[in-house]
Amino acid sequence: GQQVMQIPQYQHVQEGEDFTTYCNSSTTLSNIQWYKQRPGGHPVFLIQLVKSGEVKKQKRLTFQFGEAKKNSSLHITATQTTDVGTYFCAGGRTSYDKVIFGPGTSLSVIP
Amino acid sequence: DTGVSQDPRHKITKRGQNVTFRCDPISEHNRLYWYRQTLGQGPEFLTYFQNEAQLEKSRLLSDRFSAERPKGSFSTLEIQRTEQGDSAMYLCASSLRAEAFFGQGTRLTVV
Repeated sequence: GQQVMQIPQYQHVQEGEDFTTYCNSSTTLSNIQWYKQRPGGHPVFLIQLVKSGEVKKQKRLTFQFGEAKKNSSLHITATQTTDVGTYFCAGGRTSYDKVIFGPGTSLSVIP
Repeated sequence: DTGVSQDPRHKITKRGQNVTFRCDPISEHNRLYWYRQTLGQGPEFLTYFQNEAQLEKSRLLSDRFSAERPKGSFSTLEIQRTEQGDSAMYLCASSLRAEAFFGQGTRLTVV
């Protein structure tokens, strides 16, 4: 069955340092979504990428979708304490398919 | 407030008892998901609905789990003969297109 993997599992950074999490799917995806979950909270949608090779930016966050539509990355520039949380990628094989989540990357930011 | 509400927020039950959770999605959303999440893990897909039709149920899910979405509105998730391994956060999400909106979840503890 479809599997979504993420690395690293945990990342501790000093405030101001950059952070990247990588997502890989065992199957080609129709789209990739990224969510953020704060400690004690629920996942909150950040963005969706649909096109092969697509790059999108949200302020200090940069999202990429691989050419083969099987991998993606999220890069945060100059982390802040408000970036603390777990970042999940999620996707489906088609736009009508179920959405499968990766295991997440937990980010800690040391002030 | 994401607009998706789940009830109850917390449930403590004895092993062997049945429990039922309710999810009220955002009213115009046609797709509804149930996920299960344990500490340090990503949301694990359980089942999803398109309107009132249950499109898929995880093969990992035992027959003790059943979900309904009568009339394509609210949904219920029932767990029969609960086991300690069922202890987790049960998350409901609804979507119209790509972005899934999550509820606050129901935390189940089986003692």
